[in-house]
Amino acid sequence: GNSVTQMEGPVTLSEEAFLTINCTYTATGYPSLFWYVQYPGEGLQLLLKATKADDKGSNKGFEATYRKETTSFHLEKGSVQVSDSAVYFCALSDPATNKLVFGAGTILRVKS
Amino acid sequence: DAGVTQSPTHLIKTRGQQVTLRCSPKSGHDTVSWYQQALGQGPQFIFQYYEEEERQRGNFPDRFSGHQFPNYSSELNVNALLLGDSALYLCASSSGLGDTEAFFGQGTRLTVV
Repeated sequence: GNSVTQMEGPVTLSEEAFLTINCTYTATGYPSLFWYVQYPGEGLQLLLKATKADDKGSNKGFEATYRKETTSFHLEKGSVQVSDSAVYFCALSDPATNKLVFGAGTILRVKS
Repeated sequence: DAGVTQSPTHLIKTRGQQVTLRCSPKSGHDTVSWYQQALGQGPQFIFQYYEEEERQRGNFPDRFSGHQFPNYSSELNVNALLLGDSALYLCASSSGLGDTEAFFGQGTRLTVV
């Protein structure tokens, strides 16, 4: 079945540091890939997405590239801010059903 | 434009009781999916409703049931509550059944004691 594996956290960085959160997936067919962010006490917000191989999703300085050959969708940001502290979820969507399969989430803590 | 709204935001129930959670989708959306997010874990798909029918179901027991109304709003019902049902329940809405973006509500925090 479809599954998503993402690096365990927490990830603790200083402000302006470079961020990478690894995500790999297993899927049949050609899923869409997503990164969602969850701030404390809130629901999920879509951060970025990519719908086919080699697509790059980007938003608010975050980027991720759909790599079919390595089945990966790593999240990166060049310079993190304290306000980026949250839980980040990698997910895939079965295009036939729109059902989302999530990874376990990675806690990001950014210190000033 | 109101996004996805869920009610209530929090509730506490006793083991063995029943609970109903409610979701109103984003304007223009006709598909509602429900997810369970246990503490420290990623959301797990419960089921999806479209045209008032359950279209997809995850690996959840029959104690979990749902309904979609003609105005596309939806309810999630859980019977015979267990301590392990304590979680954040998230509703997501989208348009149709294809590969479209899902928008999430802020969730209902259910605590079973």
